Amino acid sequence: EVQLVESGGGFVQPGRSLRLSCTASGFNFGDYTMSWVRQAPGKGLEWVGFISTKAYGGATEYAASVKGRFTISRDDSKSVAYLEMNSLNTEDTAVYYCTKLDGRYFDYWGQGTLVTVSS
Amino acid sequence: DIQMTQSPSSLSASVGDRVTITCQASQDISNYLNWYQQKPGKAPNLVIYDAYNLETGAPSRFSGSGSGTDFTFTISSLQPEDIAIYYCQQSHNLITFGQGTRLEIK
Repeated sequence: EVQLVESGGGFVQPGRSLRLSCTASGFNFGDYTMSWVRQAPGKGLEWVGFISTKAYGGATEYAASVKGRFTISRDDSKSVAYLEMNSLNTEDTAVYYCTKLDGRYFDYWGQGTLVTVSS
Repeated sequence: DIQMTQSPSSLSASVGDRVTITCQASQDISNYLNWYQQKPGKAPNLVIYDAYNLETGAPSRFSGSGSGTDFTFTISSLQPEDIAIYYCQQSHNLITFGQGTRLEIK
């Protein structure tokens, strides 16, 4: 059974940093692109970014709203994907979902972890 | 960037009704269009991929069609458990979601 479990969310002040983790199980982690999607309270879904497999050089892509502030990485030996978030602002407050990308669609999602940015 | 425009933003229908949601891309995305269902307090769930393929486990009353810039998601006979927000998502060039359609029972 595929499982994606996010951790690391919480309360953080504007301008600070936070790192989220996504621990995967039930599939060959190294064979799949992993992505992060977020959802602000009461709002729609917003793609954050993804990291491709080692076969594709572990290339990353980001949404314009987070480019330069957020970094996605992966540790295939541990089946973990990370989202490093810097220079956080109140607009980054959201539930952050870890997702598995199968080709061009998200076939599995984690339960999400809430990040609240507030002074 | 590719923009995705969903309509309507909300929809109220009766059990048994045929329900249709549309999604328009700002440029040709071939068939790289997926649909997700999100129930309150839950993560989204893939229901249609590559425009018209039914995801394993999704109800057969769900269907998708379209290509290029115009796409449709249809529920042939609305059931109470279909109450959710539905999102389209393109993956032709990076990833973009539509703004969502809230589906309610009349």
